[in-house]
Amino acid sequence: QLQLQESGPGLVKPSETLSLTCTVSGGSISSNSYYWGWIRQPPGKGLEWIGIIYYSGSTYYNPSLKSRVTISVDTSKNQISLKLSSVTAADTAVYYCARHITMINFDYWGQGTLVTVSS
Amino acid sequence: NFMLTQPHSVSESPGKTVTISCTGSSGSIASNYVQWYQQRPGSAPTTVIYEDNQRPSGVPDRFSGSIDSSSNSASLTISGLKTEDEAEYYCQSFDSSNLVVFGGGTKLTVL
Repeated sequence: QLQLQESGPGLVKPSETLSLTCTVSGGSISSNSYYWGWIRQPPGKGLEWIGIIYYSGSTYYNPSLKSRVTISVDTSKNQISLKLSSVTAADTAVYYCARHITMINFDYWGQGTLVTVSS
Repeated sequence: NFMLTQPHSVSESPGKTVTISCTGSSGSIASNYVQWYQQRPGSAPTTVIYEDNQRPSGVPDRFSGSIDSSSNSASLTISGLKTEDEAEYYCQSFDSSNLVVFGGGTKLTVL
């Protein structure tokens, strides 16, 4: 059974860079036809797509976040990573990683990790 | 920017049928597949409909999806409502650049 697990600091200071890692187990991140992505959800609000990456390194980002986001992949560790720079309180959210079937749905999700931006 | 608009909330009684709409702001919603996710409090979303009208294994056939090109909308219909269906529901599709777009979510209350 495929499992995804997010990890990283739960508290980040304003203006700093948020860094999270998603470790995939029970399957290879290098599988064809799948992208791997990040979605976030501010407390009490809806889902916001951040971006996706293919195992080759090809990326697509939400235009509203593109200037601050970097998603990378480490196939040797079966991990993807998220970096979001210059964070503010508006970036406080539960961050999910998920597997994306190309041009269809996100079929496997991590449990999510809450990141709070506060001094 | 392409947006998907959902009603903020809907409510219905157990045993009844409810439909949640998802309207595209531009273009043709039929150009790309629409997916629907169910999210219960404290949990990650799960897919209840993919590719407009396909149900993943394990999702009861009380859940169905459709596309109405005339209104540029997708719909999620849940029949025979159960209290366990009470959750937030999100539609998801793609814009003209094939970037992912989520709807704002609809809170379903089963009274």
